[in-house]
Parts: sequence; C-alpha cells; structure tokens
Amino acid sequence: DAKTTQPPSMDCAEGRAANLPCNHSTISGNEYVYWYRQIHSQGPQYIIHGLKNNETNEMASLIITEDRKSSTLILPHATLRDTAVYYCIVRVGTGTASKLTFGTGTRLQVTL
Amino acid sequence: KAGVTQTPRYLIKTRGQQVTLSCSPISGHRSVSWYQQTPGQGLQFLFEYFSETQRNKGNFPGRFSGRQFSNSRSEMNVSTLELGDSALYLCASSGTGLAGTYNEQFFGPGTRLTVL
Repeated sequence: DAKTTQPPSMDCAEGRAANLPCNHSTISGNEYVYWYRQIHSQGPQYIIHGLKNNETNEMASLIITEDRKSSTLILPHATLRDTAVYYCIVRVGTGTASKLTFGTGTRLQVTL
Repeated sequence: KAGVTQTPRYLIKTRGQQVTLSCSPISGHRSVSWYQQTPGQGLQFLFEYFSETQRNKGNFPGRFSGRQFSNSRSEMNVSTLELGDSALYLCASSGTGLAGTYNEQFFGPGTRLTVL
C-alpha cells in the first residue's frame, strides 16, 4: 500500500468547510484513496473512497488531483461533532481483503 | 441492524497471563479483522479472518492468535501478556460477498486491555 502524508493537526470554525489534505505521491494505478475518521474513544468510521473521479456522499466530498498524487477531503459545514482524527489510506481494490494501513492522521479540532 | 459488538469492553490482566477477546460481526458479514491501537504505534493491523480462514496477517509475534467460527464470530487470544500489550483492541467486520459493492469496514467500540 502506498504511503500517505497528512498534517498532524488542523482547526476549523463551526459552520465553515474543513479541507483536509493528503499526499500520496507513490500511488499506483489500481490503488484507491479511502478516508476514515476516529472520534475519541470510538472505533474508526468509514467516510468515503475514490479512485480518480471526485466523489460525494452525505458526509463529505473527496477531490483527487488529476495526477492522483494528492487528495482533499471536504466537510462542507463542519460541526463540533466532526472533531476527530481523520485518516487517509491508500490500498488496492475495494473487495473483501480488508487490511487497512493507518498512518498518524490529521487531528481536526472544530471550534465555536 | 446491530453493529459490531466486542466483549469485554475493559479488561485488566497481569504480566504472563493470557487473554481472549470476542467480536461479533454485523449479521451477514464474513470478514473480521483485528487491530491494535496504542499511543505510540497508532492503529496496527493484526489479522483478518474470512470464512473461518486467516486470510491476512500483520507483523505481530506468535503470541497473538485468532480464530473465526462458522457463524463468523471471532476471538483473538494473546498469551504470555507483556506490559506493551496494553492497548485498545478493535475488531472490524465487512464483506457481504455482494459483487460490485464496496465492503467498507465497520468497527466495534473496542476492548481496552490493561496489563499490570
């Protein structure tokens, strides 16, 4: 699985968009970008994933650059409940082989 | 639909003892993965079971083992506990086997193990 680099921490005001960057310059053609988050004292929660097209769901949007070397997770209207550690993960495929390699993630603090 | 459940939620053991943790996946899921989370090493993959077979293994010593039953419930065992085994142990289930669907991992709340 390709290595990812994320900033260790970010702040965001409640109601504003939170843009969390991730670098994955060694990503290969068959590797997907996944985002999970972990709210304090809970298990990680899946947010979104993508291959090369931008993706959007009810939680967030994922923007992947054309060269696929980086991506941005966007929480359009951050709330206090979005305070968590966000993990960007790159791995092959979407099937049932379920090993996830977590990095150190970005600690997002949403403030009033 | 009930989520992933793990028992017990908290456990205190002493060095040299062994421990067994249990995980019940979401109904219909066939894959169960185990992770260890510590402040120093973060979240690390232990192993994955699919249809009662270990399909993937992380880089942990042989003291860490697991198994999966025919109903997909899984247990992990740690023998000869060391102080460094103190951690949050997370279980995740995925995989309904439906073609073309992404099998996201659903995590349980974890078992917090303290080794004294």
